[in-house]
Amino acid sequence: QKEVEQDPGPLSVPEGAIVSLNCTYSNSAFQYFMWYRQYSRKGPELLMYTYSSGNKEDGRFTAQVDKSSKYISLFIRDSQPSDSATYLCAMRRRGADGLTFGKGTHLIIQP
Amino acid sequence: EAQVTQNPRYLITVTGKKLTVTCSQNMNHEYMSWYRQDPGLGLRQIYYSMNVEVTDKGDVPEGYKVSRKEKRNFPLILESPSPNQTSLYFCASSFKGQGAYEQYFGPGTRLTVT
Repeated sequence: QKEVEQDPGPLSVPEGAIVSLNCTYSNSAFQYFMWYRQYSRKGPELLMYTYSSGNKEDGRFTAQVDKSSKYISLFIRDSQPSDSATYLCAMRRRGADGLTFGKGTHLIIQP
Repeated sequence: EAQVTQNPRYLITVTGKKLTVTCSQNMNHEYMSWYRQDPGLGLRQIYYSMNVEVTDKGDVPEGYKVSRKEKRNFPLILESPSPNQTSLYFCASSFKGQGAYEQYFGPGTRLTVT
C-alpha cells in the first residue's frame, strides 16, 4: 500500500460546481497536511495548509482533515475555469522536513 | 522577489554526456530538495539537503549527484545521463523546523536524454 493515494483523474466539472478532491494515507505519523496547485508547465505552489483534524477555510477553498479515517479533502466552491490545474496533496511527519506527495488530481473546469 | 530559480529550463542531451542543472534560492532557506515528476508517478524526491555540506538520498537517487557548498545553491548533477532520466525536474526550498511547512518550488527543468 502506498503511503499516500490520490485519484489522478481527470476530473471534469462545469463552472460554478463544487469540487471535492481527496487523498488517503496509511502512515499515522503524518501530522501536517497541505494542498499544492500546479498549473501546466509551472512548479507547484502551496494552496492550503492544516495541522490538525477539522476544517480550514480560505476564500472559496476549504481543507478538511479526518485523522481517524486517514482522509483529507479539498473543496472548491463556485469553481472557475482558472481553477483548472493539477492538485497535489502533501503530508509531513512531525520532526521531519521532507514532504510525501500524492500523485495529483488533474482538474478541468468547463466554462 | 522571493524565488527559486533553475537553469536551464529546457535541455536536450545525449546519453552519457555529463550535465548540471543549477538551483538557487534567495530566501535563506536551510532545506533544499530535488524532485522529478513523471506521468503516473507524481513527484518523487531525488536528493535533499538540510544545510550546507549536509545532503541525503531521497526515494530515487540512482544516477544523480548533488552538492551543497553554499546555502543558496543546490546543483543536480547527472554524470552519465540515460534515457530513463528524461523527466521534468523541480528544485524546492524551505525553512527547517516544526513551523516550516511551505516548500517553494522552482519553475522546472524539462530534460530529454536521447
